Amino acid sequence: AQSVAQPEDQVNVAEGNPLTVKCTYSVSGNPYLFWYVQYPNRGLQFLLKYITGDNLVKGSYGFEAEFNKSQTSFHLKKPSALVSDSALYFCAVRDLGGNTPLVFGKGTRLSVIA
Amino acid sequence: EAQVTQNPRYLITVTGKKLTVTCSQNMNHEYMSWYRQDPGLGLRQIYYSMNVEVTDKGDVPEGYKVSRKEKRNFPLILESPSPNQTSLYFCASKRPGNTEAFFGQGTRLTVV
Repeated sequence: AQSVAQPEDQVNVAEGNPLTVKCTYSVSGNPYLFWYVQYPNRGLQFLLKYITGDNLVKGSYGFEAEFNKSQTSFHLKKPSALVSDSALYFCAVRDLGGNTPLVFGKGTRLSVIA
Repeated sequence: EAQVTQNPRYLITVTGKKLTVTCSQNMNHEYMSWYRQDPGLGLRQIYYSMNVEVTDKGDVPEGYKVSRKEKRNFPLILESPSPNQTSLYFCASKRPGNTEAFFGQGTRLTVV
């Protein structure tokens, strides 16, 4: 069975500092990984995805994520946080080889303080 | 504009009164799904549909029904809502295969 863990419910970071939102996953085959962001009173917006290839994936709004197969992780990063990055972030995984649904983590609330 | 549209955005209803939340997408996507979002639990899939007239249960289907009579619409039906179905609901659509999903704005349902 697929699963995703986001170990931090809340991440606080000062504006201008680098940020990391952690995600680890478990799948039986090769993973297909996503990050989504949810702003207040909005639906989820796609940020980036990893299928194969370069382990460092670049996405929207200056975000990037690093796929680490040995650690089964897909942490979301940004070199310099903005107050406007404050939102709820979801990691999701799907088994690349199977016809399985997307499984989401519980979400991490990022708060960027000016 | 490519979008997934849910209606209503907010709904307060009483226990046992049947309701339908509509979902429509204009991207000609084959795959559609419904999720509920609850604090501390993330998003959990209720039902999904691979194409017209093809629907399947997700992780938490109890108390819900869906139909997919046409490609663009995927309504979520609560025949007899109960307070434990108070939640934030999202509809999503995507192309087949390993593509990203597009989400609606959400429907906040309160059952009293």
